[in-house]
Amino acid sequence: EAGVAQSPRYKIIEKRQSVAFWCNPISGHATLYWYQQILGQGPKLLIQFQNNGVVDDSQLPKDRFSAERLKGVDSTLKIQPAKLEDSAVYLCASSTGPQNEQFFGPGTRLTVL
Amino acid sequence: EDQVTQSPEALRLQEGESSSLNCSYTVSGLRGLFWYRQDPGKGPEFLFTLYSAGEEKEKERLKATLTKKESFLHITAPKPEDSATYLCARHGEKLTFGTGTRLTIIP
Repeated sequence: EAGVAQSPRYKIIEKRQSVAFWCNPISGHATLYWYQQILGQGPKLLIQFQNNGVVDDSQLPKDRFSAERLKGVDSTLKIQPAKLEDSAVYLCASSTGPQNEQFFGPGTRLTVL
Repeated sequence: EDQVTQSPEALRLQEGESSSLNCSYTVSGLRGLFWYRQDPGKGPEFLFTLYSAGEEKEKERLKATLTKKESFLHITAPKPEDSATYLCARHGEKLTFGTGTRLTIIP
């Protein structure tokens, strides 16, 4: 069974630029999550989708972050404009349901200069 | 606010030296307690889910246990390949992670 795919794996941008990350979840997984993991910390949930609807985006900085999940499969997370403090690993995860174990992708390491 | 506290932050063990990692969490509204392993440069890998006090689960050299206020990850006779960061996560309305315990097993 293929795992969660993410791209790119690494991205370096300057502050105030924009960036987008892509995620393809495990086939058949209805629930998709985006997490931010700052070095030395645990992952922090940014947004949760159930199919193509948003379930929880309470910790998403909506003035600069946006996410969508078209057709209930792939998802993109965008940051515009980026700030220095956005430097982190962005993890995508998926699960068969909101109470079940989550399977994580390899993450995208973002460096904002 | 959901809270998850893990200790110690880092642990160095000799190969074969057993030990335990601790995870304490906000009890109210708990729906499940998850353990993940994370290797450098990779996403977390699911290990266990525990739902009720007294529950135990095992996988190879790892055993996870749950009490009313804490969870423990016991590592028996560890090998160097067990070196990783172990993350505990509390499932309430959402999954809230601790900061992890960085485990190093010295050959």
